[in-house]
Amino acid sequence: AQKVTQAQTEISVVEKEDVTLDCVYETRDTTYYLFWYKQPPSGELVFLIRRNSFDEQNEISGRYSWNFQKSTSSFNFTITASQVVDSAVYFCALSGQYSGGGADGLTFGKGTHLIIQP
Amino acid sequence: KAGVTQTPRYLIKTRGQQVTLSCSPISGHRSVSWYQQTPGQGLQFLFEYFSETQRNKGNFPGRFSGRQFSNSRSEMNVSTLELGDSALYLCASVRSGGRDNEQFFGPGTRLTVL
Repeated sequence: AQKVTQAQTEISVVEKEDVTLDCVYETRDTTYYLFWYKQPPSGELVFLIRRNSFDEQNEISGRYSWNFQKSTSSFNFTITASQVVDSAVYFCALSGQYSGGGADGLTFGKGTHLIIQP
Repeated sequence: KAGVTQTPRYLIKTRGQQVTLSCSPISGHRSVSWYQQTPGQGLQFLFEYFSETQRNKGNFPGRFSGRQFSNSRSEMNVSTLELGDSALYLCASVRSGGRDNEQFFGPGTRLTVL
């Protein structure tokens, strides 16, 4: 069975600080996909990034960056120069066992509540 | 392009009743997945429909069911509601249904069972 662990339940930092959200996953699949989603207070999940298991290149998108390390089964997310608008709950997710063409259910971590104080 | 639409946004029911939630995916998307989000269990996968067929199912009792129509709109039904069914129910729309496809989520339906 798949499992995603986000050990940090809540993180609070002051605006402009850098912050890293940790994600550790478990899967027996050799091919899998990892995702990060942001959930603001409105409740809607916003897609941030998708990474497949064969691509270990780190990715940077503006103030966001992701570090995928297969050797440690981690897919960490860093926000540089954080802003108040970054305050939200962030979820790491893993795609499930491929079963003949389906959009597999995502296995989510419990989420990290990020609070950016002005 | 319109996003994923879920109706109603809020719902209050009593124990023992049944409820039907609706999800309209993004135009052209053929796969719809449903998730339940609770403070205790977090986000959990309910089921996924593609071309009117249920292809994947999470670990939920048979009281939870769903269907998909020919226009890709989907409904989920919960019968004999229990207090523990109070949750945010999220629907996700995927273009073709491959597992690498980005899932676009709707705003959710918040169900309260009294």
